[in-house]
Amino acid sequence: EIVMTQSPATLSVSPGERATLSCRASQSVSSNLGWYQQKPGQAPRLLIYGASTRATGIPARFSGSGSGTEFTLTISSLQSEDFAVYYCQQYNNWPPITFGQGTRLEIK
Amino acid sequence: EVQLVESGGGLVQPGRSLRLSCVVSGFTFDEYALHWVRQAPGKGLEWVSGISWNSASIGYADSVKGRFIISRDNAKNSLYLQMNSLRADDTALYYCAKDITIFGVSLPDYWGQGTLVTVSS
Repeated sequence: EIVMTQSPATLSVSPGERATLSCRASQSVSSNLGWYQQKPGQAPRLLIYGASTRATGIPARFSGSGSGTEFTLTISSLQSEDFAVYYCQQYNNWPPITFGQGTRLEIK
Repeated sequence: EVQLVESGGGLVQPGRSLRLSCVVSGFTFDEYALHWVRQAPGKGLEWVSGISWNSASIGYADSVKGRFIISRDNAKNSLYLQMNSLRADDTALYYCAKDITIFGVSLPDYWGQGTLVTVSS
């Protein structure tokens, strides 16, 4: 099973600043990597798939990069609605599909 | 508009069974894989099971393999999860989710709001 490790566990950033979240796979997942945002009491929302393709309706301030085992989600200028928990997920060789443990993005 | 509505959750004793259902609308049901993903209270996301558009490919997390069975009825636009031999650590909010890839299996894009399963005596 491929293990996904996200860092940091919690990230404190001020509104308007840039946030950089990391995700590492225990073995190569090629570009088969997605990012989700989850707010309290809500279902996850897909932000990025294919490591760098924004999902439908996702603002351009969200961008993804990486391939193989190292991936990054960047939010270029944080808005108040961006403070949430973010998960990465690999889908390279299902089953299984595996998630990272999440990064909590909080207001500094 | 894509909609997924889960049902069937509730309080169940350890060792008993429960069947979850998910009714979907807003897309061509028999062209997409579907997934169950769960989230224990205060914890992260855990993929549970997935089924391809034609049921030919099915997968399970190791934590549920041999106890849970996923199925779908394309005539009823419905997805199911039969959960047997339930344990306390199966307690979670169970989400039904649609795969993003037509005629493939990759990752979920649209999610339901979840149904809560509590396993306790």
